[in-house]
Amino acid sequence: AQSVTQLGSHVSVSEGALVLLRCNYSSSVPPYLFWYVQYPNQGLQLLLKYTSAATLVKGINGFEAEFKKSETSFHLTKPSAHMSDAAEYFCAVSDGSGTASKLTFGTGTRLQVTL
Amino acid sequence: DGGITQSPKYLFRKEGQNVTLSCEQNLNHDAMYWYRQDPGQGLRLIYYSQIVNDFQKGDIAEGYSVSREKKESFPLTVTSAQKNPTAFYLCASSIGRLKTQYFGPGTRLLVL
Repeated sequence: AQSVTQLGSHVSVSEGALVLLRCNYSSSVPPYLFWYVQYPNQGLQLLLKYTSAATLVKGINGFEAEFKKSETSFHLTKPSAHMSDAAEYFCAVSDGSGTASKLTFGTGTRLQVTL
Repeated sequence: DGGITQSPKYLFRKEGQNVTLSCEQNLNHDAMYWYRQDPGQGLRLIYYSQIVNDFQKGDIAEGYSVSREKKESFPLTVTSAQKNPTAFYLCASSIGRLKTQYFGPGTRLLVL
């Protein structure tokens, strides 16, 4: 069975500071890993994904994540936070089997950006 | 523009009533999914469908039903058996080996 743990349900950073959102996963097979962002009362938007190519993945809006197999981690970072980054972020894992991809989501991290 | 549409944006259910949430996609995706989102619990899979006329239960299927008569459409019915239906419902679709899921804007279901 797959699982995802997101450490910290709320993270607060100052505008211009480094953003670090943590994600650890458990999977019995090589995983596909995803980060999504959700703004209030909206659907989820894909930020980036890891699919066994490069371990450092670059996404939209200046975000990136590094896959570390030894640490079973896929933490999301952004060098300089912007007010528009305030949202909820979800990490998800898939085993990639079958035609449909069953995603297992973490419980989310709400990012607050202060002046 | 290609995408996923969900309607209505808000839906109100009375006690003992079945309600149906619509999900339509024009992305030509094979697989479609329904998730339920509650505060602090992330997203939980209700049902998913890999092809037309076929669907499988997810982790929390009790009290819900679906159909997949057309590739573009995957409606979700919240039945009276679902005792705690208040939540945000998200529909998604995916295609191809990498199976990235793309999400609709969601429907918020409230109980009167």
